[in-house]
Amino acid sequence: ETGVTQSPTHLIKTRGQQVTLRCSSQSGHNTVSWYQQALGQGPQFIFQYYREEENGRGNFPPRFSGLQFPNYSSELNVNALELDDSALYLCASSPGGTSGEGETQYFGPGTRLLVL
Amino acid sequence: AQKITQTQPGMFVQEKEAVTLDCTYDTSDPSYGLFWYKQPSSGEMIFLIYQGSYDQQNATEGRYSLNFQKARKSANLVISASQLGDSAMYFCAMRGRFGSARQLTFGSGTQLTVLP
Repeated sequence: ETGVTQSPTHLIKTRGQQVTLRCSSQSGHNTVSWYQQALGQGPQFIFQYYREEENGRGNFPPRFSGLQFPNYSSELNVNALELDDSALYLCASSPGGTSGEGETQYFGPGTRLLVL
Repeated sequence: AQKITQTQPGMFVQEKEAVTLDCTYDTSDPSYGLFWYKQPSSGEMIFLIYQGSYDQQNATEGRYSLNFQKARKSANLVISASQLGDSAMYFCAMRGRFGSARQLTFGSGTQLTVLP
């Protein structure tokens, strides 16, 4: 069983640029969630996709957008990068379905983004 | 709104001893799930243990157990027989059933260091 994978592992961008991060969900999972983790803090929920539809969004501006593909892989796009966007971006997949409170999310290794 | 509080920024424990990491939570959801994750310096969030709000018994997974006290709104993680490889950041998280509470909300984490 393949776990959650993310690419790239590290990325350096300059302010104002755009970035795309990618995530492949664990086999059999149809739900993908994205989190931003600033240095020294816990992860913050960005949004979730379930069967290619956005299924919840955290307190992030519209320049953070996403996609989920028919194979349930996902992309996170960030436009007009700001210095504060520097963080570890984590993708998590889960089986989906009823989205009950007990559904466990399994995380990938993350992408470290540095904005200069 | 959901909130997770972890009051111990850092903890030290001697190898082979037990350690308790504190977590308190606040939610208006009648049904919720509580999770603990481990994050080594590599960045990946590793799922450790889950406790449902209606579970009658405390959850256990190998050397990990969750001391769930619903009336006190606490969900402390107990690690028995600590190993050097347990040194990592530990996050408590929760998820509700309804609306925006379905997103996973994390605490600020506890950095655990196991001493030889």
